Amino acid sequence: KNQVEQSPQSLIILEGKNCTLQCNYTVSPFSNLRWYKQDTGRGPVSLTIMTFSENTKSNGRYTATLDADTKQSSLHITASQLSDSASYICVVLYNNNDMRFGAGTRLTVKP
Amino acid sequence: SAVISQKPSRDICQRGTSLTIQCQVDSQVTMMFWYRQQPGQSLTLIATANQGSEATYESGFVIDKFPISRPNLTFSTLTVSNMSPEDSSIYLCSVAAFGGAEAFFGQGTRLTVV
Repeated sequence: KNQVEQSPQSLIILEGKNCTLQCNYTVSPFSNLRWYKQDTGRGPVSLTIMTFSENTKSNGRYTATLDADTKQSSLHITASQLSDSASYICVVLYNNNDMRFGAGTRLTVKP
Repeated sequence: SAVISQKPSRDICQRGTSLTIQCQVDSQVTMMFWYRQQPGQSLTLIATANQGSEATYESGFVIDKFPISRPNLTFSTLTVSNMSPEDSSIYLCSVAAFGGAEAFFGQGTRLTVV
């Protein structure tokens, strides 16, 4: 079982709509959790970083939440744009220097 | 921040040959990670490279196919051996640095096997 589970695996939405991506993890001790956006053929780009004490953090139209008790995080995208079409990957850093990636959610925004 | 230099950035190789990908970090890191991303797929962890010990491979990946070296705390190599077209993929190295506070990525190596 993957130690970082993301859902849904893929998602198609219409331009302008909102969506929420989920990330559940089991690894510990937790250091921080990052959401990355990865455009096709390119390396991941960091969107947000959440530490243990942070519940919500926004970066433009992206809002990430973290519940460290239940080990769940979400990434909410508001007013989606065509350029939001990408893979969104949850990465959990733990045990001081270790990290695990989720399998990602492939988001497609259609006009 | 840590800077990772990964090379080659891309290569086209004949089946049956091997390619070694290098990853150089500008600071000492305990763990380096090698990932593969096949077309249309997300990142898949191949192995974790620890300095001074054997790499730890994930299920489905073996040392004979993906030998890894980690001679010091700033450098690692991944070799893709006896390549087949199914090995065509982007290979990415990454590190967790600064006590796990930051994650950094190489630029990736786009491998095409013909």
